[in-house]
Amino acid sequence: GAVVSQHPSRVICKSGTSVKIECRSLDFQATTMFWYRQFPKQSLMLMATSNEGSKATYEQGVEKDKFLINHASLTLSTLTVTSAHPEDSSFYICSVFRGQEGLNTEAFFGQGTRLTVV
Amino acid sequence: KQEVTQIPAALSVPEGENLVLNCSFTDSAIYNLQWFRQDPGKGLTSLLLIQSSQREQTSGRLNASLDKSSGRSTLYIAASQPGDSATYLCAVNSYKLIFGSGTRLLVRP
Repeated sequence: GAVVSQHPSRVICKSGTSVKIECRSLDFQATTMFWYRQFPKQSLMLMATSNEGSKATYEQGVEKDKFLINHASLTLSTLTVTSAHPEDSSFYICSVFRGQEGLNTEAFFGQGTRLTVV
Repeated sequence: KQEVTQIPAALSVPEGENLVLNCSFTDSAIYNLQWFRQDPGKGLTSLLLIQSSQREQTSGRLNASLDKSSGRSTLYIAASQPGDSATYLCAVNSYKLIFGSGTRLLVRP
């Protein structure tokens, strides 16, 4: 069965509005979750590391005020795209590792969210 | 900074051929490496996970090898089928999972 659940799978929003994407770890507690973005015909680019109970760690070039991450519990991380613009249209996908940190860890991914900003 | 490269970027083969996809990475200090499959417009399906201490892993027609010291991994697909057509991504785990650019595979009937 699914290890990670992501919702919604698809969303269309108007330019200037905000969109929240949820990522849930179903089978285990995840102190860390990862958010990726994928543009058409490109690979997955890591946006940020979501840390339970503390601030997220953003990759270089990712605006933390635009992509708000909240990891309020051990099973839920949310990504909010604020004041969305058409250039934010992309495929957003979350990931968790299962296993002992570092060793034996396997990454599982949510189903992804296709965001279209019109 | 870890960088992951995949060659070739695209590959078209007739059904039944055996094929090899290549992945290289710059920093050998990794925990493990995973190969994924992604169908158009879909999420990721994990194919194989190789720990840093392992040399290879097999699942059905798939075999993945890892040479950590040289920063290389290969995914071997035996007797390819049209259903294997997808984008194949390798990802290196050094706390964060860093992806290669992928290989788009088309298996022609």
